[in-house]
Amino acid sequence: GAVVSQHPSRVICKSGTSVKIECRSLDFQATTMFWYRQFPKQSLMLMATSNEGSKATYEQGVEKDKFLINHASLTLSTLTVTSAHPEDSSFYICSARHPGAGGPYEQFFGPGTRLTVL
Amino acid sequence: KQEVTQIPAALSVPEGENLVLNCSFTDSAIYNLQWFRQDPGKGLTSLLLIQSSQREQTSGRLNASLDKSSGRSTLYIAASQPGDSATYLCAACHTGTASKLTFGTGTRLQVTL
Repeated sequence: GAVVSQHPSRVICKSGTSVKIECRSLDFQATTMFWYRQFPKQSLMLMATSNEGSKATYEQGVEKDKFLINHASLTLSTLTVTSAHPEDSSFYICSARHPGAGGPYEQFFGPGTRLTVL
Repeated sequence: KQEVTQIPAALSVPEGENLVLNCSFTDSAIYNLQWFRQDPGKGLTSLLLIQSSQREQTSGRLNASLDKSSGRSTLYIAASQPGDSATYLCAACHTGTASKLTFGTGTRLQVTL
């Protein structure tokens, strides 16, 4: 149990286009999901906390108008990178907080999405 | 602001050796600490989670310890194998902040034949 999926796993787009990444909790309901980005050979940096039915909370320095987050259901959160530019190229990983597994605050991670902006 | 550091940044050991990876954190007000494995270009695989009230957790050849007072955690890998080669990340879960995780800088492990 506690499986999180992401789609697509890899996307290449032209500069100026928008890209949507989906994060799904497959076998549990997640009121809270998280979005991270990871640059090559660096660690994960939290971008935003996605709460079902309310606005996302963004970390300092993350542009909310550029990285649109929607958490419309208990099993789906989406991250849309608007007007993507080459500097947005990165590995984006989502996680979902499982209400009970391993304690009240364990997060389960998706496999990640590799975004390349040409 | 929580800061999580991992030492060493990279490690190469011959197959069969026991090894220890270190993780330190500046704020001891945590719910738990997790250790993850990440293979190149892949997502995270959760290895062990230690609750703040626990001292250690074991899974197979892996043993993780937690000392909240000193802000340290260690991941012990026994009898290392080439398949253990990966980047290992620790992450501290904050209290009172919607369970945010702060990740460490990672240790790249290579186990040679």
